[in-house]
Amino acid sequence: DVKVTQSSRYLVKRTGEKVFLECVQDMDHENMFWYRQDPGLGLRLIYFSYDVKMKEKGDIPEGYSVSREKKERFSLILESASTNQTSMYLCASSLLHDGYTFGSGTRLTVV
Amino acid sequence: AQSVTQPDIHITVSEGASLELRCNYSYGATPYLFWYVQSPGQGLQLLLKYFSGDTLVQGIKGFEAEFKRSQSSFNLRKPSVHWSDAAEYFCAVGPSGSARQLTFGSGTQLTVLP
Repeated sequence: DVKVTQSSRYLVKRTGEKVFLECVQDMDHENMFWYRQDPGLGLRLIYFSYDVKMKEKGDIPEGYSVSREKKERFSLILESASTNQTSMYLCASSLLHDGYTFGSGTRLTVV
Repeated sequence: AQSVTQPDIHITVSEGASLELRCNYSYGATPYLFWYVQSPGQGLQLLLKYFSGDTLVQGIKGFEAEFKRSQSSFNLRKPSVHWSDAAEYFCAVGPSGSARQLTFGSGTQLTVLP
């Protein structure tokens, strides 16, 4: 069964820490995405990548960066975590005609 | 720009009753359309998708959806709801952009009464 794996289900970090969220897919997909999900705001696109070492900003990139050194791995980085980054983070990958495959999500709490 | 509207934020149905979740989209060409379901604390799972052809598509868990171009709609239906269907449902349209992104609706929360 194809999978998108997010390294942590739950994380608690302190304000100001540098935080890494990892996402790995085993489907050889070109495209990968990071979303955050907050009650009442739906899914908001943070960053995406359509090839190794390629990245583009989504709708809410401020305070975040990404890294894609290998095709299967797409990392989201919170440079200096803040409490307003407490959220559910969802990683997804895709091929053109198959929609997205999502990971199980990482619930991040910044204290 | 493409957009998706799910007019119902929250729907409550009784177990065994029929269900219809609404989705309206705006898209410049023939869209690809998707329905996803999210159980509490989980990621999103694909229920069904429409690319072309038969406008009535069947998905997993007994769900179906009908594409109506004239109404720009892609409503999700199930004839008899089970308690395990309680979840949040997202409609999505696409693709567009360099990574063929999808645009998601804001979701409909489904509550199932025993």
